[in-house]
Amino acid sequence: AQKITQTQPGMFVQEKEAVTLDCTYDTSDPSYGLFWYKQPSSGEMIFLIYQGSYDQQNATEGRYSLNFQKARKSANLVISASQLGDSAMYFCAMRGGNTGGFKTIFGAGTRLFVKA
Amino acid sequence: ETGVTQTPRHLVMGMTNKKSLKCEQHLGHNAMYWYKQSAKKPLELMFVYSLEERVENNSVPSRFSPECPNSSHLFLHLHTLQPEDSALYLCASSQEGSRERETQYFGPGTRLLVL
Repeated sequence: AQKITQTQPGMFVQEKEAVTLDCTYDTSDPSYGLFWYKQPSSGEMIFLIYQGSYDQQNATEGRYSLNFQKARKSANLVISASQLGDSAMYFCAMRGGNTGGFKTIFGAGTRLFVKA
Repeated sequence: ETGVTQTPRHLVMGMTNKKSLKCEQHLGHNAMYWYKQSAKKPLELMFVYSLEERVENNSVPSRFSPECPNSSHLFLHLHTLQPEDSALYLCASSQEGSRERETQYFGPGTRLLVL
């Protein structure tokens, strides 16, 4: 069975500092994709970054980077130089290449609070 | 701006009402999804349409009825809902290709309150 675990219900970070949001996953698929989404209080789920299981390098998108450790089955999101607008819920998600059909599995989320 | 719009953004309805949620995607995608997000619960997939054909129905009660008239539009028809159906309903779309690489893009959601 596929599973995503986010163990941090809430996190605080000082403005301009970096923060790491944890995500571990479990799947039997040899090929899979990992995604991070941001959900502000307005409700919209905003796609941030993607990492493929066979990608040789860790994904980066601006201030977002994904610390992908395949052997540990972890895909942590690193946000550098935090901004007040980064305060939101963050969801880790996974989609298997073979199993799970059309399902993308989402974690429970981590609420990030950025302090001024 | 994500390219996926949803209307209405907020909806309050009684248990005997009939209403519909609308989703429209402007991204040229060929797959669309309905998700339910309740407080303190993970995102739940409800329905998936691929090329306008329903390919997944995640054991959703029949009081929720989806409709996909074309690849750009998706509806969720609601009737005789229960208070526990109050939630944020999110629509998403994606372009089918290599399955594990399909990125879903979400709309802003409809906040539904059933009284």
